Amino acid sequence: NAGVTQTPKFRVLKTGQSMTLLCAQDMNHEYMYWYRQDPGMGLRLIHYSVGEGTTAKGEVPDGYNVSRLKKQNFLLGLESAAPSQTSVYFCASSYRSGRVSSTIYNEQFFGPGTRLTVL
Amino acid sequence: AQSVTQLDSHVSVSEGTPVLLRCNYSSSYSPSLFWYVQHPNKGLQLLLKYTSAATLVKGINGFEAEFKKSETSFHLTKPSAHMSDAAEYFCVVSDPDGGSQGNLIFGKGTKLSVKP
Repeated sequence: NAGVTQTPKFRVLKTGQSMTLLCAQDMNHEYMYWYRQDPGMGLRLIHYSVGEGTTAKGEVPDGYNVSRLKKQNFLLGLESAAPSQTSVYFCASSYRSGRVSSTIYNEQFFGPGTRLTVL
Repeated sequence: AQSVTQLDSHVSVSEGTPVLLRCNYSSSYSPSLFWYVQHPNKGLQLLLKYTSAATLVKGINGFEAEFKKSETSFHLTKPSAHMSDAAEYFCVVSDPDGGSQGNLIFGKGTKLSVKP
């Protein structure tokens, strides 16, 4: 199993350009997430998806859009990149979330990250 | 609302000495708590998790953490540091019975340095 993979690993954009980051998982997980990591800030949730065809906003959604057309893929789009979006982006997935009977399914599995620089 | 505070942004120890990374949390529910580790230029790897079973949780690479409800703490420890432990560590809280789909809330991270 490859687990969670992200494409590309690195990217440099100019202000105003657009791009799409691809996340793929082969664990048949229902839930997928996009985070950004900035120095001293930990990870902050951008958007997440609880299943194919559904998405929801996280803590810092502005300037980003997402789509989940297939269960195994979760795309993060930047329509008009800004320098403030320079960051490392991580995708994660989980079987589900919350509690079912006595079992808790919070554990998330992370991809290797995409380092994005916006000039 | 949930929150998590990592009390030290940077901890430095000598190889072979104990490691203590401190974490306090705030949660209205019975939380799930995690420690993740991130080695330089790598993704995040789960070290251990607490989900309301045993309060002392053992993880990978000799790490363990103790859930103390009275102190709202979940400190990470290791008896003897190894050079390969140098990394950034994140304490994470989640409310599996709460809102926001039980999403994870990350602390700001503690960078562990290990001196030879």
